[in-house]
Amino acid sequence: RKEVEQDPGPFNVPEGATVAFNCTYSNSASQSFFWYRQDCRKEPKLLMSVYSSGNEDGRFTAQLNRASQYISLLIRDSKLSDSATYLCVVNIGYGGSQGNLIFGKGTKLSVKP
Amino acid sequence: GAGVSQSPRYKVAKRGQDVALRCDPISGHVSLFWYQQALGQGPEFLTYFQNEAQLDKSGLPSDRFFAERPEGSVSTLKIQRTQQEDSAVYLCASSPWTSGGLGETQYFGPGTRLLVL
Repeated sequence: RKEVEQDPGPFNVPEGATVAFNCTYSNSASQSFFWYRQDCRKEPKLLMSVYSSGNEDGRFTAQLNRASQYISLLIRDSKLSDSATYLCVVNIGYGGSQGNLIFGKGTKLSVKP
Repeated sequence: GAGVSQSPRYKVAKRGQDVALRCDPISGHVSLFWYQQALGQGPEFLTYFQNEAQLDKSGLPSDRFFAERPEGSVSTLKIQRTQQEDSAVYLCASSPWTSGGLGETQYFGPGTRLLVL
């Protein structure tokens, strides 16, 4: 079983739609959680960190449920420029390199006019 | 300011050839990570440096893979006797913190696309 699992999509939505991505992780010792965005043939870029209390950044809302080991990302009022692959990422936070990130396969979003 | 840079951006190698991939992290960044991203997959951790010390190489897939960061800045990932399954994008990331994680951002370079024929 993969440590971080996501629905690969693709999610094809019209402009203005609300879309939600879900992610589960297997290691209950995971300490930090993130959503990264990766455009085609580009490097991953941090979209937002995810906290147990939930956090919002403009049209983006991220939620973490530690009991269910579940992370979500909600995008409201989708824009064409939101088209990308969204990577769910966790950090275990122990061991020789506390910082190495564990990525899901990514969920592809395509926003259509 | 300058971000993480990697070279070459593209590399085509014949099976059995040795390759060297370079990463220039953001100046002053303590932590440096290498990841491998196969087509259609998320990046997977290869190895981690704190300054010049390689603290974790648990993700290196075989002893054909070797990484170094001798002066604590530029890093080189070397792959010996390349195989077709080595074809992937190799991403380098740096962070100003010693732990490199636990909530802190890692800054990724554009990657080197390696194709082994």
